Amino acid sequence: GQQLNQSPQSMFIQEGEDVSMNCTSSSIFNTWLWYKQDPGEGPVLLIALYKAGELTSNGRLTAQFGITRKDSFLNISASIPSDVGIYFCAGQIDYGQNFVFGPGTRLSVLP
Amino acid sequence: NAGVTQTPKFQVLKTGQSMTLQCAQDMNHNSMYWYRQDPGMGLRLIYYSASEGTTDKGEVPNGYNVSRLNKREFSLRLESAAPSQTSVYFCASSERLMDTQYFGPGTRLTVL
Repeated sequence: GQQLNQSPQSMFIQEGEDVSMNCTSSSIFNTWLWYKQDPGEGPVLLIALYKAGELTSNGRLTAQFGITRKDSFLNISASIPSDVGIYFCAGQIDYGQNFVFGPGTRLSVLP
Repeated sequence: NAGVTQTPKFQVLKTGQSMTLQCAQDMNHNSMYWYRQDPGMGLRLIYYSASEGTTDKGEVPNGYNVSRLNKREFSLRLESAAPSQTSVYFCASSERLMDTQYFGPGTRLTVL
């Protein structure tokens, strides 16, 4: 089946630093979603992207739909302790088809 | 709005036991889903329900059954639990089939 790769698998950063992570696929997607999962909780939708090249922000978070349509990027500016968690990407090849989820990037923020 | 709720939050079963995981949503969504989450892997779709009265298999349906009880509720049943079913189970819902999905808090199941 389809697979998504997320990079990095995990990262440790200092509070206040900016964070970049990405999600790549061997297939072209028409929708990208970014979720965050806090420990012991379910994934919460952060940003949805529907168009190649689209750049969308949600507070300190900014996500981009790659122009090749095979990748997406998530940036977090000025990280804070509550940014700790696992960030998942999900992609959809065509509307109405199953979403494919990446394995996640685990973010730790050091004070 | 509570969003998507799941019960129980934790469960331990012995091999061969059965149980039903419950899910309810109050967002008036048409479609509902059951996923499992295993370490180092993305969420995998077990079953989904496009609308009330319909259910379909996802990527990993073996060993599971589902019931779409009404528009709000979608349950997942393990008839004879196996250790390979140890996982975290998430229910999700969306307004339309395979639209942006909203997740519940999860059920952490251990099968001994």
